[in-house]
Amino acid sequence: SYVLTQPPSVSVAPGQTARITCGGNRIGRKSVHWYQQRPGLAPMLVVYDDSDRPSGIPERFSGSNSGNTATLTINSVEAGDEADYFCQVWDSNWEPCVVFGGGTTLTVL
Amino acid sequence: QVQLVQSGAEVRKPGASVKVSCKASGFTFTSHAFFWMRQAPGQRPEWMGWINAGTGNTKYSQTSQGRVTITRDTSASTVYLDLSSLKFEDTAVYYCARDRIVGPTLFDSWGQGTLVTVSS
Repeated sequence: SYVLTQPPSVSVAPGQTARITCGGNRIGRKSVHWYQQRPGLAPMLVVYDDSDRPSGIPERFSGSNSGNTATLTINSVEAGDEADYFCQVWDSNWEPCVVFGGGTTLTVL
Repeated sequence: QVQLVQSGAEVRKPGASVKVSCKASGFTFTSHAFFWMRQAPGQRPEWMGWINAGTGNTKYSQTSQGRVTITRDTSASTVYLDLSSLKFEDTAVYYCARDRIVGPTLFDSWGQGTLVTVSS
């Protein structure tokens, strides 16, 4: 099965930039999506197709994907950004074909 | 607006079955596929299966095959998850999620989640 690897935690001060990585074999060839999950709530899509933002998601959220690493970048981090973040890919050649990374907890210091 | 509203929390004994519903509104139900996923505390979401709401075609993950049935009622814009032969390790929050119409699968709308507790 395809494996996505994320760091368990990332900590940043308010106003700084947070970068959350998602590693996978040749992940640059896939479309990567990112979800934010606040405690007790359902996940919410924040970046899709590597770098696009759904309507309503602040421009502070951006993404990139190349080689073996995809990255979610959050500029000017706010207290409200504190959450778990999951990367996700789809690959019909694999089982399971929906793959999530293990998640990264973003802590705003 | 796009909404997925799930049924309420359930408690079942081991070996029993549970059925969770997910009612869609604010968009054309039959244009989308709907996925069921579950998430144990502190874990990543785990895909269980999906249904094409237009055709009724389904696909299940290998780990779900045999115990999971996903159905839909187009007149009610509702999808259902049936999970049988429940085990303690099935305790989790269960989510339905909508796939986009075109492109690699992603989940652009989620239900609020349904806690299923398996306890003796």
